Amino acid sequence: GDSVTQMEGPVTLSEEAFLTINCTYTATGYPSLFWYVQYPGEGLQLLLKATKADDKGSNKGFEATYRKETTSFHLEKGSVQVSDSAVYFCALSSGATNKLIFGTGTLLAVQP
Amino acid sequence: NAGVTQTPKFRILKIGQSMTLQCAQDMNHNYMYWYRQDPGMGLKLIYYSVGAGITDKGEVPNGYNVSRSTTEDFPLRLELAAPSQTSVYFCASRNDRTGGFTEAFFGQGTRLTVV
Repeated sequence: GDSVTQMEGPVTLSEEAFLTINCTYTATGYPSLFWYVQYPGEGLQLLLKATKADDKGSNKGFEATYRKETTSFHLEKGSVQVSDSAVYFCALSSGATNKLIFGTGTLLAVQP
Repeated sequence: NAGVTQTPKFRILKIGQSMTLQCAQDMNHNYMYWYRQDPGMGLKLIYYSVGAGITDKGEVPNGYNVSRSTTEDFPLRLELAAPSQTSVYFCASRNDRTGGFTEAFFGQGTRLTVV
């Protein structure tokens, strides 16, 4: 079945460091891919998305490119801030199943 | 804009009790989902619905039931609460009528403890 695998955390970085959180997927058909963010005590919010191969999603300095050949959707940011500390979830939506499937989440902690 | 509203926010249940977690959305979304999030873990899909009157099982449906009599509401029922159901429950909705894959909007969550 469809699944999402993302790197385990926690990821601890200093402010202004470069961030990469890896995400790979398995899916039938051509899924759409998402990154969601969860701040402490809150629900999930969409961070960015990509709906077809080679699309790049971007928002708030974060980017991710839909790579069909490597079935990946890695999240990157050039310079993280303390306010970016949160849990980040990679997810896919497949028309074949109508489901929205999430990875296990990666906790990011940014230190001043 | 209310979005997705979940009630209650917190609840403590005794083993064997039952309860219903409420979820309502005012965006006329056709898809709705229930997830559970265990401490330090990701989200696991319990049930989902693609429209009123249609529901289907997700990854972890045992011990839960759902109904979808209206577009707006998607309650989750726990019949015989067990400690393993201690978790944070999230409801989400999205609109898939356009054929595209649109973002899901999440409620604030219900923190349930079974003792």
